[in-house]
Amino acid sequence: KQEVTQIPAALSVPEGENLVLNCSFTDSAIYNLQWFRQDPGKGLTSLLLIQSSQREQTSGRLNASLDKSSGRSTLYIAASQPGDSATYLCAVRPSTTSGTYKYIFGTGTRLKVLA
Amino acid sequence: AAGVIQSPRHLIKEKRETATLKCYPIPRHDTVYWYQQGPGQDPQFLISFYEKMQSDKGSIPDRFSAQQFSDYHSELNMSSLELGDSALYFCASSLVDLAGGPRYEQYFGPGTRLTVT
Repeated sequence: KQEVTQIPAALSVPEGENLVLNCSFTDSAIYNLQWFRQDPGKGLTSLLLIQSSQREQTSGRLNASLDKSSGRSTLYIAASQPGDSATYLCAVRPSTTSGTYKYIFGTGTRLKVLA
Repeated sequence: AAGVIQSPRHLIKEKRETATLKCYPIPRHDTVYWYQQGPGQDPQFLISFYEKMQSDKGSIPDRFSAQQFSDYHSELNMSSLELGDSALYFCASSLVDLAGGPRYEQYFGPGTRLTVT
């Protein structure tokens, strides 16, 4: 059974720092991995999608890497800003022959960037 | 660009009542997913539909049912509501490439916040 965990659970950093959020999954058989941002009580905003054949994806100050064989992904945020404060979730889509494509979400990292 | 639409955005019900949540996927998307996110928890998969047929079922209580209609919108029906059903309910949609697997991104709606009192 696929399990997804994220470390750390919470993180507080001063503005301007570069930071790394970690996501681990137990089964390397995945189609893709997606990183989301969620503000308190709000919906999920997609940040980056990495296909299983890709190693990394970049969007602005965000860079996500994927090492499928070791079951790890990292989200790198450069020059953090207070507006980056949110919960960051990673989600994997397991490979399956049954034609189901649900996401399994990680436990999330709650980020606070201090001004 | 059109996004996933969910209605209502907020819903307050009493215990033992019934609730219906609606989801309108992005045009031309053929797959709809429902997720439940309890307070302080990560989203949990409930059920999905591909081309109007149920394609997968997760931890969905027997009190809940769902369907996808001919126009691809989906409804989640929840009966005999319990306090523990209070949560944020997300709908997501995507395209499925049957040849290459789910290469396409899953887009999430803003969610329906259900409060059961």
